[in-house]
Amino acid sequence: AQTVTQSQPEMSVQEAETVTLSCTYDTSESDYYLFWYKQPPSRQMILVIRQEAYKQQNATENRFSVNFQKAAKSFSLKISDSQLGDAAMYFCAYDQGGSEKLVFGKGTKLTVNP
Amino acid sequence: DTGVSQDPRHKITKRGQNVTFRCDPISEHNRLYWYRQTLGQGPEFLTYFQNEAQLEKSRLLSDRFSAERPKGSFSTLEIQRTEQGDSAMYLCASSSSAVYSGNTIYFGEGSWLTVV
Repeated sequence: AQTVTQSQPEMSVQEAETVTLSCTYDTSESDYYLFWYKQPPSRQMILVIRQEAYKQQNATENRFSVNFQKAAKSFSLKISDSQLGDAAMYFCAYDQGGSEKLVFGKGTKLTVNP
Repeated sequence: DTGVSQDPRHKITKRGQNVTFRCDPISEHNRLYWYRQTLGQGPEFLTYFQNEAQLEKSRLLSDRFSAERPKGSFSTLEIQRTEQGDSAMYLCASSSSAVYSGNTIYFGEGSWLTVV
């Protein structure tokens, strides 16, 4: 079974600084998708960024970018110019192509200090 | 359209009672999912519908749990004879198979269940 591991239960960053959240996953498949979701306190989970495994180019969405290392099965999220509104739980998730279900890590709680 | 909506947002029930949660997906989405999230954990997949057909159920979905999507629109998740271990947030999500989007799934705000 596929597993997703987030080794950092909590992280903190100063406003305007850069922070990297780690994620590793275990799979024997070659066709899959990886996601980072953000879950603010008492609010809905929203998609931050998505990466298709067949794409070598790392995905980027404004201040959010990933470092996708397929061979190492690593998928880290970099947040640049951190803002107070970035404070949330961040979940890494894996979706085997066509499986229609996400496997989530346990999450990393990000605190942004003013 | 305001996204995936869930009702009720919070429910406190006594052990042994039945509870039902409702989910209204994004209107053009034909896929609907239920996940369960306990404190300090990531969401865990429970079940998935495409239109009105329930295509997959997790082993986490015991026989006390039943989900329906009778007309391929809204869905209900019923828990019978609730136990304290059922206390969790139940997340509904939806996606579309009509537009290729890498299976991007959109989540609702969740329904918190507390069993006392």
